[in-house]
Amino acid sequence: AQRVTQPEKLLSVFKGAPVELKCNYSYSGSPELFWYVQYSRQRLQLLLRHISRESIKGFTADLNKGETSFHLKKPFAQEEDSAMYYCALSNNAGNMLTFGGGTRLMVKP
Amino acid sequence: KAGVTQTPRYLIKTRGQQVTLSCSPISGHRSVSWYQQTPGQGLQFLFEYFSETQRNKGNFPGRFSGRQFSNSRSEMNVSTLELGDSALYLCASRLAGVAEQFFGPGTRLTVL
Repeated sequence: AQRVTQPEKLLSVFKGAPVELKCNYSYSGSPELFWYVQYSRQRLQLLLRHISRESIKGFTADLNKGETSFHLKKPFAQEEDSAMYYCALSNNAGNMLTFGGGTRLMVKP
Repeated sequence: KAGVTQTPRYLIKTRGQQVTLSCSPISGHRSVSWYQQTPGQGLQFLFEYFSETQRNKGNFPGRFSGRQFSNSRSEMNVSTLELGDSALYLCASRLAGVAEQFFGPGTRLTVL
C-alpha cells in the first residue's frame, strides 16, 4: 500500500524566513512524487514533480529514497506563498495519486 | 488550452437522493480521475477512467460509480446519498503515459 505523511498541519513563518514543508512516503515500487498547492479560492495546481528537478517560485524538493522523504523548501518565504500544500505519490501505472493530509503555510508580514 | 471544467459547481441534496457530477477534461487528455476531499479524510482517490474503461478504483462503496464517454468527458454518480458524502469532488485529467494530473475547480456537494 502507498502512504504519504505530512506531519505538520500548520506552519507559520515570517516573511523572509526559510521554509521547509515535510513529506514522508511509503511505497514498495519506484516512487514518483509531486507537490501540489492550493491558494485561497483557487484550484489545486501542480507546483513541483521530483523527476523534473526544477525550481518553481523559488521552491525546490529533493527525493531522498534512503529517508523516504520529499521535503519542500524555500530559502526566503513570501506572503504570497501562503496556501495549502499537498505532497502526492503516484502509483506505477500513473493513474492514482495518494495525497498527504496537507500543510497550511502562513507567511506573516 | 482550456482547463478542466466541472459542473455544477455547487449542489445541495437530501439523504437518499442520487446525484450526477460532470467533468470535461483538457482537450487531448484521455484519462480522468475523481477524488473526494473532506476536512476529516483529506483527498481520497475514487476512480480513474481511460478510453471509457475504469482502470483503477479506490476504497469507496458501490454507491459511487462513474463512466466516461467517447469524447473523454466523465460523469460520477452517487446513489442513496448519506450525510457523510458531503464533500468537494475533484476531477483531474492527464495525458496518457504522464503521471501529472490537472485538477478542476471541484463540485461542492452538501447532503442535508
